[in-house]
Amino acid sequence: DADVTQTPRNRITKTGKRIMLECSQTKGHDRMYWYRQDPGLGLRLIYYSFDVKDINKGEISDGYSVSRQAQAKFSLSLESAIPNQTALYFCATSDPRLAHTQYFGPGTRLTVL
Amino acid sequence: EDQVTQSPEALRLQEGESSSLNCSYTVSGLRGLFWYRQDPGKGPEFLFTLYSAGEEKEKERLKATLTKKESFLHITAPKPEDSATYLCAVQAYTTGGTSYGKLTFGQGTILTVHP
Repeated sequence: DADVTQTPRNRITKTGKRIMLECSQTKGHDRMYWYRQDPGLGLRLIYYSFDVKDINKGEISDGYSVSRQAQAKFSLSLESAIPNQTALYFCATSDPRLAHTQYFGPGTRLTVL
Repeated sequence: EDQVTQSPEALRLQEGESSSLNCSYTVSGLRGLFWYRQDPGKGPEFLFTLYSAGEEKEKERLKATLTKKESFLHITAPKPEDSATYLCAVQAYTTGGTSYGKLTFGQGTILTVHP
């Protein structure tokens, strides 16, 4: 079984809709991250969380919100989706005891029409 | 602001034709430089972490090296299954000397190996 899972894997939605992407992990890591990937721009950090009570904005947090429901679950929400939020979204986890190496989920392909 | 630039953007090789990918970086204090491999439709897969200039790490046909300004990913006698996007990322120390684990990624190099 995969250590980091993301649901859904693919989603097509319309402008203005609220969307939630979910991430679960069985690695036991405290730290979790949300990235988006766009062609030619690499991976950019949206939000990160060091534990359930510690959530921080990344470089491109506008238009997004997150919820850390438990150590193993970290959700990303788009309150009112817009077309330029069409991208690949990845969740990652890390553990400072393991040199902060980040382990990624399989990704969610989101299309906003 | 930390910056990572990878070159070339795309590289086409024949099977067995060795080459190198470049990752140039600027960072206030480097805690670690990471290489990942990403296959189409999948999440990045961790390959290596390098911590100090002069360090080298190897895995099968891949060898990563690090200087104070750049890292190279050398691919020796590549095979078609090595085709993927290779991502480089840096992790910096904060001003307090600790690291929060955040990575800054380059845009990646798309490697295609033809049989």
